Amino acid sequence: KNQVEQSPQSLIILEGKNCTLQCNYTVSPFSNLRWYKQDTGRGPVSLTIMTFSENTKSNGRYTATLDADTKQSSLHITASQLSDSASYICVVSAHPGNQFYFGTGTSLTVIP
Amino acid sequence: DVKVTQSSRYLVKRTGEKVFLECVQDMDHENMFWYRQDPGLGLRLIYFSYDVKMKEKGDIPEGYSVSREKKERFSLILESASTNQTSMYLCATLLANTGELFFGEGSRLTVL
Repeated sequence: KNQVEQSPQSLIILEGKNCTLQCNYTVSPFSNLRWYKQDTGRGPVSLTIMTFSENTKSNGRYTATLDADTKQSSLHITASQLSDSASYICVVSAHPGNQFYFGTGTSLTVIP
Repeated sequence: DVKVTQSSRYLVKRTGEKVFLECVQDMDHENMFWYRQDPGLGLRLIYFSYDVKMKEKGDIPEGYSVSREKKERFSLILESASTNQTSMYLCATLLANTGELFFGEGSRLTVL
């Protein structure tokens, strides 16, 4: 069964600290994996995309990793800011590319 | 930038009312999707469309119908709203060459 699981469910960190969010998946055949950021009351916005051959990709203070062998991805946020408070959703797509499997998200709260 | 516009951000309806949720995209994308998002359940696919007048059921189509008369517009219809359809509804379009989903801002529906 194609599934995407994220951990932790929620996380509270102090401003300026780093954090790592996890995503495990069983989607097959794998096409790509994206991390989306969803601010409260808004639609999700893509942060990064990882394809099968990519191990690491950065977007500013966000760094995503992918281990295709263990089917795990992580999103590392460096020097967190209050504006990072949001839900982070891991989305895995299966070939041919228009089937998407969503994690339930990690709710991140950054406090001053 | 891709723009996906959902006409109603917040709606309050009564049980049994007919509800229309409109979604318009400005990029001539073929694939459009309707999801609902509930706490702890993540995004679940209601319907998707891969072309004008074409539609496919997603994972939870019961109680919903859709219409795609023009390429840029994808409408979600609740023929007789029920309280268990209280949710956040997200429309998305797919940029096929990158596999990225672009979401609207969401429509939060409350059925009393």
